[in-house]
Amino acid sequence: NAGVTQTPKFQVLKTGQSMTLQCAQDMNHEYMSWYRQDPGMGLRLIHYSVGAGITDQGEVPNGYNVSRSTTEDFPLRLLSAAPSQTSVYFCASSDFDRGLLFFGSGTQLSVL
Amino acid sequence: AQKVTQAQTEISVVEKEDVTLDCVYETRDTTYYLFWYKQPPSGELVFLIRRNSFDEQNEISGRYSWNFQKSTSSFNFTITASQVVDSAVYFCALSEAGLNTGTASKLTFGTGTRLQVTL
Repeated sequence: NAGVTQTPKFQVLKTGQSMTLQCAQDMNHEYMSWYRQDPGMGLRLIHYSVGAGITDQGEVPNGYNVSRSTTEDFPLRLLSAAPSQTSVYFCASSDFDRGLLFFGSGTQLSVL
Repeated sequence: AQKVTQAQTEISVVEKEDVTLDCVYETRDTTYYLFWYKQPPSGELVFLIRRNSFDEQNEISGRYSWNFQKSTSSFNFTITASQVVDSAVYFCALSEAGLNTGTASKLTFGTGTRLQVTL
């Protein structure tokens, strides 16, 4: 009963480094998304996907890339990390029938 | 544009007190969904409830109850006889309807209310 799996749980990067946050779901959900959580700001949508091959921007997309080559996976790429990207990142998925969002356990990212 | 306001940043209560968390929303959509999520100190996000805009009936689940009032654009959450395990950050969220396009899954979150329940 894995649900939504995010890796890694913790990551420290230096400014300018690149990395990919992994997200996988085993519920055959069409919809997947990435949020970032910052103190006092709640969760904000970065990118989302309504199916394999289809992605779109959310509220705060700058500095992040996504792709959706399979239904199961939705990785988030930071091409050149900046201190402003220090945050907790949550991946989520849902199916269109129920519209309930299931969240992963989060990735705590620090950019020095 | 959608907006969710949780004006209470932090609330402290003593165990067994009742506590209400406020949520006010703004949307131009006539059909939408409202959510509450709980984030305990461990950090995960736990789904509590979803209501659609057509259903204004109040909901009760154990010690939890929700009061949805379209007239005031509010969706308040009450915990009766609070317990230490209720200590968490609680988020209210809003999404458009339109399940077939996935728009119902694009949530706009409030900034959260941190609830501290002490003995």
